[in-house]
Amino acid sequence: DAGVTQSPTHLIKTRGQHVTLRCSPISGHKSVSWYQQVLGQGPQFIFQYYEKEERGRGNFPDRFSARQFPNYSSELNVNALLLGDSALYLCASSPGTGPRGETQYFGPGTRLLVL
Amino acid sequence: AQKITQTQPGMFVQEKEAVTLDCTYDTSDPSYGLFWYKQPSSGEMIFLIYQGSYDQQNATEGRYSLNFQKARKSANLVISASQLGDSAMYFCAMREAFTGANSKLTFGKGITLSVRP
Repeated sequence: DAGVTQSPTHLIKTRGQHVTLRCSPISGHKSVSWYQQVLGQGPQFIFQYYEKEERGRGNFPDRFSARQFPNYSSELNVNALLLGDSALYLCASSPGTGPRGETQYFGPGTRLLVL
Repeated sequence: AQKITQTQPGMFVQEKEAVTLDCTYDTSDPSYGLFWYKQPSSGEMIFLIYQGSYDQQNATEGRYSLNFQKARKSANLVISASQLGDSAMYFCAMREAFTGANSKLTFGKGITLSVRP
């Protein structure tokens, strides 16, 4: 079975631009979460969506937004990019229900560099 | 307040030996889950092992085991028979509010493990 996929793998943007990152969960998983990982740190939670509804939001500004589609794939949008947004953006999916339904499986990430 | 603490800056282990990676956590929620992930230089976070707060036994997954000491709020990862491919960053993470639809993970800062041949 295919794991979590993310696109693009790498991205270079300039300050003030916006970016859209995409994620496809493992087949059958209904929950998608987004994390930001700055170099040298652990991932920080941004959003969680379950059954197309936002279920959690981390301490990130309104420039960050996300949505989940009927096929459970998800997009993360970041507007007005700042240099500090440079990071690895990780998407994770989980079944959402059932035994160990909360175990999250991560994709390979999107490396965003803001110049 | 830091919820997940990983204080070991870097660990070295000889190939084929066992190694313990420390993790302490802080929560007032009686229902929580603890996870360990491995992150190689490629960046992908690989799920290793899970321990639920109500699990009676320590979790094991192949060469990985979790030394769960609830009263001390510690969840140390033990890797037996280390292999060169185990060289990576290791993250401890916690999920509070044990409901299936809530999947927010809080991560520690990670520990670098280097396996020597």
